[in-house]
Amino acid sequence: AQKITQTQPGMFVQEKEAVTLDCTYDTSDQSYGLFWYKQPSSGEMIFLIYQGSYDEQNATEGRYSLNFQKARKSANLVISASQLGDSAMYFCAMRLPYGNNRLAFGKGNQVVVIP
Amino acid sequence: NAGVMQNPRHLVRRRGQEARLRCSPVKGHSHVYWYRQLPEEGLKFMVYLQKENIIDESGMPKERFSAEFPKEGPSILRIQQVVRGDSAAYFCASSPNPTYNEQFFGPGTRLTVL
Repeated sequence: AQKITQTQPGMFVQEKEAVTLDCTYDTSDQSYGLFWYKQPSSGEMIFLIYQGSYDEQNATEGRYSLNFQKARKSANLVISASQLGDSAMYFCAMRLPYGNNRLAFGKGNQVVVIP
Repeated sequence: NAGVMQNPRHLVRRRGQEARLRCSPVKGHSHVYWYRQLPEEGLKFMVYLQKENIIDESGMPKERFSAEFPKEGPSILRIQQVVRGDSAAYFCASSPNPTYNEQFFGPGTRLTVL
């Protein structure tokens, strides 16, 4: 079974600074997808960014970018110019093509942005 | 242009009661996924359904849990004879097809078992 690892302790980030959240994954498959979701204190899951295993360029969505290193099996999320509203839990997830599209999630990274 | 809707948002049950959680997917989406989030944990897959069919229930506990997605109406996750360990947030997600890159999540139902 695939495994997603997020081991960073809770992070405090100064407003307007960048923050990198680590995610490593374990799979023997060549075709897979990687996702990052944000979960604020209100509890909903907000899709941030997607990276396909065959995508040659790193995904970017506004202030979010994904540092995809396939050989190292890492998919780190970079949030640039942090805002107070970025304070949340961030979850990395992986989808396998034959897994009926279900997602496997890591345990999450807590980020607190301070003014 | 409503997203995924779940109700109730909060549900309190006493041990031994039944819990029914409802999920209305994005209009036009026929693929529904249920996930459970225990406190301090990430989401864990429970079941994948298409209209009138259970496709993958490999993440469902063998007893007390069931799910359905009828031809008409919302998807239902049913937990019989709840126990305190069932207290969690239950999320529903939908997609238009099984290869679509994004799953659209609902706001979740927070189940508390007293």
